[in-house]
Amino acid sequence: NAGVTQTPKFQVLKTGQSMTLQCAQDMNHEYMSWYRQDPGMGLRLIHYSVGAGITDQGEVPNGYNVSRSTTEDFPLRLLSAAPSQTSVYFCASGPPIRDPLTEAFFGQGTRLTVV
Amino acid sequence: RKEVEQDPGPFNVPEGATVAFNCTYSNSASQSFFWYRQDCRKEPKLLMSVYSSGNEDGRFTAQLNRASQYISLLIRDSKLSDSATYLCVVRVFGNEKLTFGTGTRLTIIP
Repeated sequence: NAGVTQTPKFQVLKTGQSMTLQCAQDMNHEYMSWYRQDPGMGLRLIHYSVGAGITDQGEVPNGYNVSRSTTEDFPLRLLSAAPSQTSVYFCASGPPIRDPLTEAFFGQGTRLTVV
Repeated sequence: RKEVEQDPGPFNVPEGATVAFNCTYSNSASQSFFWYRQDCRKEPKLLMSVYSSGNEDGRFTAQLNRASQYISLLIRDSKLSDSATYLCVVRVFGNEKLTFGTGTRLTIIP
């Protein structure tokens, strides 16, 4: 009964380093997305995917890459970390495209600090 | 103008009181509406979807006013466990993306 598994929970990076945040879901959802949450800004969409092999940019995509090789996995890559990317990141799965009033499930979040 | 706007609060409310939040949205093509709850340092979780006719779930009532483009959440007989941030979420017709408000922080005081 995993739902959405997001790793790691915490990460400290030095400026210029790269890393990948992992996200996996076991609900067979087509739609998956990544958000960042900053104080006073709410959750802002970084990238999203409507199915394997299909990704698109959200509101704040710069500095991030994604891929969707399988339905289950949707990793987020930081190419060259910057202090402005210090944030809390959430992966979400759903809601199902054909059932828009149902729930999106979130991972537990990753607290990323870039120094 | 933000797509989804909420009063950030904080709302400090005594236990047992009734509290209401409003949320306005700017895109008239918005189709689906939700309230999510987020506890401190935790992930958001769905509290309730908002239906056109309004809906109730125990102490919680959600209403939608399409003409004025706002949704509301009413919490009756508030409990200490209701302390959280409440996120207004909107989905536009034909678009899978969810747009979040910045959230309204609620603290229930004993």
